[in-house]
Amino acid sequence: DQQVKQNSPSLSVQEGRISILNCDYTNSMFDYFLWYKKYPAEGPTFLISISSIKDKNEDGRFTVFLNKSAKHLSLHIVPSQPGDSAVYFCAASGSSGTYKYIFGTGTRLKVLA
Amino acid sequence: DAGVTQSPTHLIKTRGQHVTLRCSPISGHKSVSWYQQVLGQGPQFIFQYYEKEERGRGNFPDRFSARQFPNYSSELNVNALLLGDSALYLCASSLPSGGRDTQYFGPGTRLTVL
Repeated sequence: DQQVKQNSPSLSVQEGRISILNCDYTNSMFDYFLWYKKYPAEGPTFLISISSIKDKNEDGRFTVFLNKSAKHLSLHIVPSQPGDSAVYFCAASGSSGTYKYIFGTGTRLKVLA
Repeated sequence: DAGVTQSPTHLIKTRGQHVTLRCSPISGHKSVSWYQQVLGQGPQFIFQYYEKEERGRGNFPDRFSARQFPNYSSELNVNALLLGDSALYLCASSLPSGGRDTQYFGPGTRLTVL
């Protein structure tokens, strides 16, 4: 049972435009959400996080939006740059005590120059 | 500042063998988590350790075990390797501070079982 889903395996965007990556979750106990970026042969790199008490968090070109009623979060990258080309994973955790992360399957973003 | 380090980078083993993977957390971090990532999937949680105690375990067989040392480094052990254990094994460290702590990942160990 996939508790965190990224339904778009890939996305292509022109340089300078907005990239929107989506993530859905099913477990209402999740209260902390993160986005990671992963290049080949490297570990995931933390990008941005959001707690369930917020609906938006910004960090430079990256903004994460959380819609709790829809159990949906999205990552906006504006403007997109060729160096943003990577696989993006969303992750969720709940107040279970272990703070383990449940990851989606990833979306491969390609930013075209 | 040094990030999370893992060794070895790559490893090739045959079925039935045993493997030990090592992880050093970011300085000051006391919690270490292990994840397995197979091709085309997101990382899957295996273990979390804090102050040398196991805090959580994912849905993995008993062939998988881990421990954390007084210096907060950690080992992941896998016995009786199966072909399906071929994956990227990721280690992540976090403080924790009692609130929501971000996990920072190492580069991973690529294990191939033949």
